Amino acid sequence: EDKVVQSPLSLVVHEGDTVTLNCSYEVTNFRSLLWYKQEKKAPTFLFMLTSSGIEKKSGRLSSILDKKELFSILNITATQTGDSAIYLCAVYDDYKLSFGAGTTVTVRA
Amino acid sequence: SQTIHQWPATLVQPVGSPLSLECTVEGTSNPNLYWYRQAAGRGLQLLFYSVGIGQISSEVPQNLSASRPQDRQFILSSKKLLLSDSGFYLCAWSWGGGSPLHFGNGTRLTVT
Repeated sequence: EDKVVQSPLSLVVHEGDTVTLNCSYEVTNFRSLLWYKQEKKAPTFLFMLTSSGIEKKSGRLSSILDKKELFSILNITATQTGDSAIYLCAVYDDYKLSFGAGTTVTVRA
Repeated sequence: SQTIHQWPATLVQPVGSPLSLECTVEGTSNPNLYWYRQAAGRGLQLLFYSVGIGQISSEVPQNLSASRPQDRQFILSSKKLLLSDSGFYLCAWSWGGGSPLHFGNGTRLTVT
């Protein structure tokens, strides 16, 4: 059975802090690992990672994948209150995309 | 560009009543289609996925079913709802091959 585990489950930080979110996985036929941000409704896509060691970056967010150790991290630097959300990690096993339980990030002003 | 429509946005149904949630995708052909459920404070649980018309894979045995009568239409159904069916239901599409899923706005279902 596929398994995607995220840690921590939740955290509270102050504006300007840096946040590191973790995702480990076990799947049979890995295709890619994806990160999503979910605020009120539908998750929105952040990054797709397929190769180890190559950092993906978008503004203050960045992510990297380690296919040997089977994990990924998502970093958010200089956090803002608008970064408050649930961050979801998901891993493709053939056609099936399995999600972790998510990390709830709360950024206080 | 591609868009995904999911309705209704909210739904309150009594236990034992039937359910039909519909999802359609525009602007693409032969997408992979997915139904997920999210319980409060939890991650997304894959319910069904489809790689083509009439092809449905079920991930969780339960009283829900899915159908894909047309290429860009995906329907989630139940003959008799249970209290445990309450949750946030999300439809999504992708190009396949490990590409990102794009989600609809979801249906919040409350079974009373």
